[in-house]
Amino acid sequence: TQLLEQSPQFLSIQEGENLTVYCNSSSVFSSLQWYRQEPGEGPVLLVTVVTGGEVKKLKRLTFQFGDARKDSSLHITAAQTGDTGLYLCAGVRQAGTALIFGKGTTLSVSS
Amino acid sequence: ETGVTQTPRHLVMGMTNKKSLKCEQHLGHNAMYWYKQSAKKPLELMFVYSLEERVENNSVPSRFSPECPNSSHLFLHLHTLQPEDSALYLCASSQDGSNYGYTFGSGTRLTVV
Repeated sequence: TQLLEQSPQFLSIQEGENLTVYCNSSSVFSSLQWYRQEPGEGPVLLVTVVTGGEVKKLKRLTFQFGDARKDSSLHITAAQTGDTGLYLCAGVRQAGTALIFGKGTTLSVSS
Repeated sequence: ETGVTQTPRHLVMGMTNKKSLKCEQHLGHNAMYWYKQSAKKPLELMFVYSLEERVENNSVPSRFSPECPNSSHLFLHLHTLQPEDSALYLCASSQDGSNYGYTFGSGTRLTVV
């Protein structure tokens, strides 16, 4: 059983479209993080959300942490080809423990 | 150099070989990690070192042996691997635990033949 479920698994869209990817769990996390990984590279941290209900914006990317701290979403406005990559969510169950990762959402944005 | 550096980037080894993966971080972080990334699976935590002490070992087979000689360097020694061990091996570092995020290296793409 996957602790962090990400959906959709694959997403293929045109430039300019909006999209939302989801990260869900039945467990509570003290924080959730989103990473983007490009082929042949390691994941790069985009954002950390800590407080239930928190919303953070990073240019065209909007991240939300669920009120119960069990889920998160990533919304991209007006996607660009440079947004293509694997988006990973990762959570910390309790202080002092390592990150747990979801399987990721592979996003392909074509022009 | 800055960030987290992993060498080699690619490695092909036979099942009877012994090799080592190297990771070096120039960020002054106090924790380092090894993760395994296989197709269609989430990143799997292998080892955690905090202040050079191993604090977590996720039931990894003994054919994988980590070494952390100081807070900046981490090794993964490999011997008698299996083809199913072929994967991308990622090293990461962090400061004061996981809540502030990890900095990952580019990984070593390992193929066992």
